[in-house]
Amino acid sequence: DVKVTQSSRYLVKRTGEKVFLECVQDMDHENMFWYRQDPGLGLRLIYFSYDVKMKEKGDIPEGYSVSREKKERFSLILESASTNQTSMYLCASNNYEKLFFGSGTQLSVL
Amino acid sequence: AQSVTQLDSQVPVFEEAPVELRCNYSSSVSVYLFWYVQYPNQGLQLLLKYLSGSTLVKGINGFEAEFNKSQTSFHLRKPSVHISDTAEYFCAVSVRMRGNQFYFGTGTSLTVIP
Repeated sequence: DVKVTQSSRYLVKRTGEKVFLECVQDMDHENMFWYRQDPGLGLRLIYFSYDVKMKEKGDIPEGYSVSREKKERFSLILESASTNQTSMYLCASNNYEKLFFGSGTQLSVL
Repeated sequence: AQSVTQLDSQVPVFEEAPVELRCNYSSSVSVYLFWYVQYPNQGLQLLLKYLSGSTLVKGINGFEAEFNKSQTSFHLRKPSVHISDTAEYFCAVSVRMRGNQFYFGTGTSLTVIP
């Protein structure tokens, strides 16, 4: 079965810190995604990547950047964390027929 | 552009009663349709999907959904719910294009009452 692994389940950071969220998939998928999930707002796409070194903005890219140096790894970067970035972050990859999700990282910015 | 609307944010239902969770979408191109479920404190998992063929799709745990192109809907149904069905349900569409983005609704919280 496909595995999408997010490096941390819970993370607590201070305002202004630089935060890295790592995601690795093991099925050679071309497409990888970062979403954030907030109550009442569902899943909102932050960034996605369809190939190594390629990235596209999603619906809410402000305050975030991404890096995809290798096909299996897609990193989300918060350059200067703010309290409104407290959220559940979900990484996913897909094979056109199905989206496979990681277990999520609950980020709290204090 | 694509969008997904889940009309009901919360649906309480008694155990063994039927349930329907509504999903409407808008798109200028053909789409694939999905329902994902998120049980408390767990990740999202695929419940069912429509890619092509029969418009009635059966998924896991006794759920099914019907694709209605004219009404641009993909409602999820179960004839008799169990306590264990209490979860958040998300409808999603995707377009086969570069990046194959998935667009999600805001979710419906199903609470099954004993």
